[in-house]
Amino acid sequence: DIQMTQSPSSLSASVGDRVTLICRASQTISRSLNWFQQKPGKVPELLIYAAAKLQNGVPSRFSGSGSGTDFTLTITSLQPEDFATYFCQQGYTTPFTFGPGTKVDIK
Amino acid sequence: QVLLQESGPGLVKPSETLSLTCSVSGVCFGSCISRYYWTWIRQPPGKELEWIGYVYYPDSTTYNPSLKGRVTMSLDTSKDHFSLRLNSVTAADTAMYYCARISDHDENWYFDLWGRGTLVTVSS
Repeated sequence: DIQMTQSPSSLSASVGDRVTLICRASQTISRSLNWFQQKPGKVPELLIYAAAKLQNGVPSRFSGSGSGTDFTLTITSLQPEDFATYFCQQGYTTPFTFGPGTKVDIK
Repeated sequence: QVLLQESGPGLVKPSETLSLTCSVSGVCFGSCISRYYWTWIRQPPGKELEWIGYVYYPDSTTYNPSLKGRVTMSLDTSKDHFSLRLNSVTAADTAMYYCARISDHDENWYFDLWGRGTLVTVSS
């Protein structure tokens, strides 16, 4: 199975900050990497697919980049509604696997 | 807009079979359920998401080997729903279970539409 790791596991930030989250795959996955946001008690929501494609309706302050094994999710100006946990997921091969998540909370 | 809704028992006894259904509703061109891959994902309390498997019309399936052959998925186009069966459950199968739709882009598979989830607890 392809193992996904994320760093940091948590971070504290302020409204307006620029934050960058990292996701790494244990083997190359081309650009088959997706990002989800999950708030407590809520359903995960797709933010970015294929490493850099913004899902319909997702604010443009979210962006993704990377290929191969290393990927990033950047939020350019953190908003109050962005405090959540972010998961990456590889969509390259089955079994599809998720990272453990990065929790973004308020400083 | 396509909507997904999970249903099924919230409590299952150890060693028994967990059975869930996901109803697909909304507007599609043609049959929604025959056009996409459909999947189940679970999340134990406070833990990571785990992909369980997918089903595709009429009866193509792929499952996560971690579940060691305990999983069966099926589609029912007449009822516009798909189902999950997980047998020989233990407490480790306690989780929020989500159904979702799979889309793909340049050989990247992603989960673009999710149900609200249903909590299943395994306990005697």
